[in-house]
Amino acid sequence: DAGVIQSPRHEVTEMGQEVTLRCKPISGHDYLFWYRQTMMRGLELLIYFNNNVPIDDSGMPEDRFSAKMPNASFSTLKIQPSEPRDSAVYFCASTRGTGGIPGELFFGEGSRLTVL
Amino acid sequence: EDKVVQSPLSLVVHEGDTVTLNCSYEVTNFRSLLWYKQEKKAPTFLFMLTSSGIEKKSGRLSSILDKKELFSILNITATQTGDSAIYLCARGNNNDMRFGAGTRLTVKP
Repeated sequence: DAGVIQSPRHEVTEMGQEVTLRCKPISGHDYLFWYRQTMMRGLELLIYFNNNVPIDDSGMPEDRFSAKMPNASFSTLKIQPSEPRDSAVYFCASTRGTGGIPGELFFGEGSRLTVL
Repeated sequence: EDKVVQSPLSLVVHEGDTVTLNCSYEVTNFRSLLWYKQEKKAPTFLFMLTSSGIEKKSGRLSSILDKKELFSILNITATQTGDSAIYLCARGNNNDMRFGAGTRLTVKP
């Protein structure tokens, strides 16, 4: 298996622009997590899905952030409009649940976002 | 929100030293405690702990969980420069997985 695949790996954009980050989880995994990592705040959980359904989006910073999972093999995280404080590395991770509980997370390589 | 607190936040040692990293947590419906190592890119999995008092080992690394006192430790013996990384712990409950801030370990030659 190719692992969790994220794109783009790097994105530099200007404030106010729309940003879309993409994630392909490992086939057969039923949980998908989006995290954001910064020096100041560490690794923050933004939102996670179970069987393509958003379960908890309480970590999404504000309405400018949205996430979708239209099918089991694809998810997007969108920021519109972007702001400089959104600059971070965004990680997607997937796992297979056991008894309805998430197991070991497998991380993608991350998308490094810089908003100027 | 259930907290995960790691200590120390950073640590500098010399090759050959032994280190102990700490992770304490608050959680409702605890299911698992996981340790990850992060070098330059994505975190990589080290251990998953679900039961108290059972040590997990992998080479020079070992970890144990105390569910009564709500903490876990990660030990690294005979440290090497390649152990330099951020070590993250995460707690899992019935649904999600939340991380602590991490411990940045630097091993000097």
